[in-house]
Amino acid sequence: DAGVIQSPRHEVTEMGQEVTLRCKPISGHDYLFWYRQTMMRGLELLIYFNNNVPIDDSGMPEDRFSAKMPNASFSTLKIQPSEPRDSAVYFCACTVNPNTEAFFGQGTRLTVV
Amino acid sequence: AQTVTQSQPEMSVQEAETVTLSCTYDTSESDYYLFWYKQPPSRQMILVIRQEAYKQQNATENRFSVNFQKAAKSFSLKISDSQLGDAAMYFCAYRSGDTLAGSYQLTFGKGTKLSVIP
Repeated sequence: DAGVIQSPRHEVTEMGQEVTLRCKPISGHDYLFWYRQTMMRGLELLIYFNNNVPIDDSGMPEDRFSAKMPNASFSTLKIQPSEPRDSAVYFCACTVNPNTEAFFGQGTRLTVV
Repeated sequence: AQTVTQSQPEMSVQEAETVTLSCTYDTSESDYYLFWYKQPPSRQMILVIRQEAYKQQNATENRFSVNFQKAAKSFSLKISDSQLGDAAMYFCAYRSGDTLAGSYQLTFGKGTKLSVIP
């Protein structure tokens, strides 16, 4: 398995534009997580899914953020409109069950100018 | 809510020496899991070691071992025979074991940047 695949690896966009981050989890891993990493706040959970269903989105900062998981092999995190304070590294992670390790993608570095 | 504290923003160690990274956490739960993740400059988060709270024996993975003190809520990582490739950010993380509550997310500390001096 190729592991968790995130795209793009880097994204630079202008304030106000829509940004879509993508994640392909490891096959068979039914839990999918989106984290955001910043210098100030460290790693924070934004949302997680179980069997494609959003379970906890309390970490989503604003209505500008939305996440979907249309099937077991694909998830998106969308920011619309983007703002400079959204600049961060966004990680997707997955796990088979809570008692095992979470596998992370390489992250998407988002810069909003 | 659980919190994880890493009190050492930066550490350094001579190659081949031993270094210990500190982590404390706060929880009212009795069942949980603790992890150390490594983040090299490539950004990839890599699991180093995990510990189940119900196990008294400290986890070990090759040159990496932990000192888990449940009563003190302490979970330190010891790296023996440090290598240049060990240079990275290290994150301590907590996960609840309460599967009924569905709290499966990881709560991370702020990280410790480890430098290895040749």
